[in-house]
Amino acid sequence: NAGVTQTPKFQVLKTGQSMTLQCAQDMNHEYMSWYRQDPGMGLRLIHYSVGAGITDQGEVPNGYNVSRSTTEDFPLRLLSAAPSQTSVYFCASSVMTAGYLEGGYTFGSGTRLTVV
Amino acid sequence: QKEVEQDPGPLSVPEGAIVSLNCTYSNSAFQYFMWYRQYSRKGPELLMYTYSSGNKEDGRFTAQVDKSSKYISLFIRDSQPSDSATYLCAMSPRGYQKVTFGTGTKLQVIP
Repeated sequence: NAGVTQTPKFQVLKTGQSMTLQCAQDMNHEYMSWYRQDPGMGLRLIHYSVGAGITDQGEVPNGYNVSRSTTEDFPLRLLSAAPSQTSVYFCASSVMTAGYLEGGYTFGSGTRLTVV
Repeated sequence: QKEVEQDPGPLSVPEGAIVSLNCTYSNSAFQYFMWYRQYSRKGPELLMYTYSSGNKEDGRFTAQVDKSSKYISLFIRDSQPSDSATYLCAMSPRGYQKVTFGTGTKLQVIP
């Protein structure tokens, strides 16, 4: 049982480049989300999805795009990378009950991104 | 002011000690409370999940919620060096789709 799989584990980008961080889960979870983790600021929600075709913004969505074409996959796109996007990115998924979260998150192992 | 406050530590204790980790919050709508453990360079993993006030025990771990004081705690009994990690509290209202995290407390258990 793989859980939540994130790729790549590490990435270095130049300012202005674009890239996609991949996230896949095999638990049939309706809810998927992307967080960034920065020292002293904790985990901040970027975007989330409550099912295929449904996405919404979190706390820090600027500079990022998402789409959800299948239940399993939730890629995060950086449109034009900036040094402020240097961070550790985590994908998380969860069961939903009656349209809201239930039971806590399962996190992936993270992608460490450096923008130079 | 942040919705969830958590002392960043670091907290150093000798092996075998009882550890108390705490969070305070300001949003009275929070009803689901969680504790995650995060080892260095790893993703957080769910330790405890509780609903509303009261205590929940799982092995050496006890989660306590006091909604009247807007205060939650995680107690670790007989702490082990393998408990050395960052502990994140998290919470959400009922019927909501977002979870708010504390910034985490770094714990070191010294053999």
